[in-house]
Amino acid sequence: KAGVTQTPRYLIKTRGQQVTLSCSPISGHRSVSWYQQTPGQGLQFLFEYFSETQRNKGNFPGRFSGRQFSNSRSEMNVSTLELGDSALYLCASSFPVGQTTDTQYFGPGTRLTVL
Amino acid sequence: AQSVTQLGSHVSVSEGALVLLRCNYSSSVPPYLFWYVQYPNQGLQLLLKYTSAATLVKGINGFEAEFKKSETSFHLTKPSAHMSDAAEYFCAVIEGSQGNLIFGKGTKLSVKP
Repeated sequence: KAGVTQTPRYLIKTRGQQVTLSCSPISGHRSVSWYQQTPGQGLQFLFEYFSETQRNKGNFPGRFSGRQFSNSRSEMNVSTLELGDSALYLCASSFPVGQTTDTQYFGPGTRLTVL
Repeated sequence: AQSVTQLGSHVSVSEGALVLLRCNYSSSVPPYLFWYVQYPNQGLQLLLKYTSAATLVKGINGFEAEFKKSETSFHLTKPSAHMSDAAEYFCAVIEGSQGNLIFGKGTKLSVKP
């Protein structure tokens, strides 16, 4: 079974631009979560989608948004990029069975650099 | 709010030596705890997960962790380090009923030949 895939793997943008990252979960997984990883703040939760609905959200500004499609693929969008948005963005998928403790499986991440 | 503290941002061991990576959590309810490993330029790989079924949890690559409620700890161990174990290790706890992971700051493990 294929793992979580994320595209693109690397991205360079300039301040003020917007960016869209994509995540394809493991086949059959219905939940997709997004995390930001930076050297200073570590790993921080952005949001989670389940059945096309945002079910949980972390403490990030409204410039960060996401969505999930009917095939469970998810996209994350960041508008008006700032230098501090440079990070590794990780996507994780899980197959909830009514529990919030389902194991999350991570993709390789998208490395975003904002110049 | 739940939190995770990993003691030691860097740990160095010799090949063949015991690996001990420390993790303490704070939680008002029985926690679900995880250890993940991250190799350079890669995502996170699950090592093991504690779900209250057993206090000693065995994971992949010879790693195991013991849940100690009295010490609020979930330390990761491996009897004999291998060069391939060099990576960054993250301890994480599930945030209440919402399901998102709360991560520790990570511990970078170096293995000397």
